Amino acid sequence: AQSVTQLDSQVPVFEEAPVELRCNYSSSVSVYLFWYVQYPNQGLQLLLKYLSGSTLVKGINGFEAEFNKSQTSFHLRKPSVHISDTAEYFCAVEFTGGFKTIFGAGTRLFVKA
Amino acid sequence: EAGVAQSPRYKIIEKRQSVAFWCNPISGHATLYWYQQILGQGPKLLIQFQNNGVVDDSQLPKDRFSAERLKGVDSTLKIQPAKLEDSAVYLCASSLDRSVDNEQFFGPGTRLTVL
Repeated sequence: AQSVTQLDSQVPVFEEAPVELRCNYSSSVSVYLFWYVQYPNQGLQLLLKYLSGSTLVKGINGFEAEFNKSQTSFHLRKPSVHISDTAEYFCAVEFTGGFKTIFGAGTRLFVKA
Repeated sequence: EAGVAQSPRYKIIEKRQSVAFWCNPISGHATLYWYQQILGQGPKLLIQFQNNGVVDDSQLPKDRFSAERLKGVDSTLKIQPAKLEDSAVYLCASSLDRSVDNEQFFGPGTRLTVL
């Protein structure tokens, strides 16, 4: 079965510390991978995506993610977080030929001063 | 460029009542999506339109949910009758077309509470 798992429901971190939000997927076909951010009372916004090519993808707001095919993972990282990064982050997968995006359950990032 | 518009932003109804949500996508976007986001979960696709045709409604509970996009622009999603488990945020998104190269842009959502 095809699925997306975000291993942490909540991640508290101090300001200026590094952070990694984990995402794993299960699929028997090739995938496209996405990270979205949802700020309070706002819609989802695309942070970055992997379609093909370099496995290290850079996105907006200083975030990056690395596609690891052998580990079936697409973890999101930022070397130094700000208070303004407090939000919910969703990993999402589209399976080739599926034309449908499947979202993980989300990880709530809470940045403390 | 105006974003995806949704209304109302909030709705409270009693179970067995009917409710409708409206979405106006970004101008020129052929593909429109409705998602259901239950508290603590990620968005789940309910229905996808390409212009005014349905391309995927496999996860739409068709006994109570319906959606239309008659002129290939704005869309309505209806629930009739509502159940307690329909309490969720309903998100509308649009993209230029179905290609994965094209980003989905999301509206702010409609938060539905069913009492």
